[in-house]
Amino acid sequence: ETGVTQTPRHLVMGMTNKKSLKCEQHLGHNAMYWYKQSAKKPLELMFVYSLEERVENNSVPSRFSPECPNSSHLFLHLHTLQPEDSALYLCASSQEFEGAYEQYFGPGTRLTVT
Amino acid sequence: TQLLEQSPQFLSIQEGENLTVYCNSSSVFSSLQWYRQEPGEGPVLLVTVVTGGEVKKLKRLTFQFGDARKDSSLHITAAQPGDTGLYLCAGAGSTLGRLYFGRGTQLTVWP
Repeated sequence: ETGVTQTPRHLVMGMTNKKSLKCEQHLGHNAMYWYKQSAKKPLELMFVYSLEERVENNSVPSRFSPECPNSSHLFLHLHTLQPEDSALYLCASSQEFEGAYEQYFGPGTRLTVT
Repeated sequence: TQLLEQSPQFLSIQEGENLTVYCNSSSVFSSLQWYRQEPGEGPVLLVTVVTGGEVKKLKRLTFQFGDARKDSSLHITAAQPGDTGLYLCAGAGSTLGRLYFGRGTQLTVWP
């Protein structure tokens, strides 16, 4: 399954580090999403991009900064994170943003903040 | 916020048994999706149901959307160890493009 890829798969970073997560979709979709998955919680939507424009930011702390340079690529820039930010970060894409379009997920980046 | 409650939270069964997991809400959804997620991987889409009362079958998996489009069920016949995983339901709600996820049902099928 190579429709949506994410790198790195695992990341350990200190609270003072700066790192970036990368997502690439090969499905020709127009919308891309960042989700956070923590234990015992539902998937939390963080950001939505439609045709490279951010359409939703779910009150995410500013230490998370998304970037969408084109419809195939999505980044999540991380800086001065907290231990509670440790989670699985999932990228997804869908054909369009509006409407009940199915979302396709990447394998995720397992982030550990020490 | 449109909440989806999934039950049971955990299910541990022997190979060959049948099972049903549920996804319930007080909200109406325009469609509902089921995903399976294996450890260390992202969720993989299994099916989308759109019409109230709709039933879809995927080999040994049967998905049903409630008549009022507020709930859904997933029935697995003769479960196999390969069915092990976290089953997530997600509803497309009133906010366009937004999917609301349940917490999931963790299924373990023992050989």
